Amino acid sequence: GQQVMQIPQYQHVQEGEDFTTYCNSSTTLSNIQWYKQRPGGHPVFLIQLVKSGEVKKQKRLTFQFGEAKKNSSLHITATQTTDVGTYFCAGQGSGTSYGKLTFGQGTILTVHP
Amino acid sequence: EPEVTQTPSHQVTQMGQEVILRCVPISNHLYFYWYRQILGQKVEFLVSFYNNEISEKSEIFDDQFSVERPDGSNFTLKIRSTKLEDSAMYFCASSEDSIPMNTQYFGPGTRLTVL
Repeated sequence: GQQVMQIPQYQHVQEGEDFTTYCNSSTTLSNIQWYKQRPGGHPVFLIQLVKSGEVKKQKRLTFQFGEAKKNSSLHITATQTTDVGTYFCAGQGSGTSYGKLTFGQGTILTVHP
Repeated sequence: EPEVTQTPSHQVTQMGQEVILRCVPISNHLYFYWYRQILGQKVEFLVSFYNNEISEKSEIFDDQFSVERPDGSNFTLKIRSTKLEDSAMYFCASSEDSIPMNTQYFGPGTRLTVL
């Protein structure tokens, strides 16, 4: 079945440093969604990428979808302590109509002030 | 802003008992989902539901589990004869559209503890 791998598993940064997490799917995706989960919280939707090569920005966050629609990345510029949490990518395969999300393992981001 | 709500926030049960987890999806959404997250692990898909029937289910979603939309607003997950390994956070999600614009919004979750 479809697998989504995400690296790194952990990332520790100093406040102000940049952060990137990478996501790779074993199969071509229909779209990819990114979520942030704070400790003890639930996945909060950040963004959805649909088009091949798509790049979207939300303030300090830049999301990219690969040309082959099999990989994606999230880059945070100048991290802040409020960025702390686990960032998950979640892909939807082309062969499913009803939107099963396959999640990556997540990247746990800690930011030291 | 509309949100997915879930009750209870925490459920403690004895092994072998049945539990029902409840969700109220966002009102104009048509696609409903259950996911679970074992502590420290990734979120796993359980089941999707559309037009009053299951549209897809994972291998985890065996005969022990069932879903229902008993009225126009609630969406429930029933776990029969709970096992210790069912202890996890259970998240309900809903979406307005189908693929590819199937953005899913998650509820706050129910923490299920099986003793």
